[in-house]
Amino acid sequence: QSALTQPPSASGSPGQSVTISCTGTSSDVGGYNYVSWYQQHPGKAPKLMIYEVSKRPSGVPDRFSGSKSGNTASLTVSGLQAEDEADYYCSSYAGSIPVVFGGGTKLTVL
Amino acid sequence: EVQLVESGGGLVQPGGSLRLSCAASGFTFSSYWMSWVRQAPGKGLEWVANIKQDGGEKYYVDSVKGRFTISRDNAKISLYLQMNSLRAEDTAVYYCARDWRVAGFDYWGQGTLVTVSS
Repeated sequence: QSALTQPPSASGSPGQSVTISCTGTSSDVGGYNYVSWYQQHPGKAPKLMIYEVSKRPSGVPDRFSGSKSGNTASLTVSGLQAEDEADYYCSSYAGSIPVVFGGGTKLTVL
Repeated sequence: EVQLVESGGGLVQPGGSLRLSCAASGFTFSSYWMSWVRQAPGKGLEWVANIKQDGGEKYYVDSVKGRFTISRDNAKISLYLQMNSLRAEDTAVYYCARDWRVAGFDYWGQGTLVTVSS
């Protein structure tokens, strides 16, 4: 049960856009439209930001958007703000394995 | 307001056992799949197990199969994780989470720390 692959870090200046990738296989990301993204601030529980590839839960700013192409999903944060600095994790349905997570990406707002 | 409150974490020796509990409130507990997700210190998230609304289906990550048992009591509005034969690599913060749609988690507890060490 291999984790999905995310870059360990990403960064951008306030107001800029940044995209975080999440690469899996045809058995998880590529095989289903069930990719989620979570934001986690230090010492806090994760927060759902995106589900089913591109849907936003109520209360999540529209600056956060998700997409998928083949075996790679992406989270884009537009108009970066200081409070967006956090760890971001992707997850995907993987058939017989209900959920597999990515290794996480630390987003730094410069 | 949806709330999930975990308890039962602590220090346990390798080979020991621990039972985690998660008290739910603010939603119809019996209508949702529920999961346990863990995070080792300084590491990423790992899904551990989930359970269907009526407890009739349960799934586990390979690394805990045969050692951990997820259960629920809808009358007590609670989720449980019985952990046996604990190993050092089970050391983590354990989160209780409400399943959302497919493979999503929309509400999380604050977590409870399990430390396996001699």
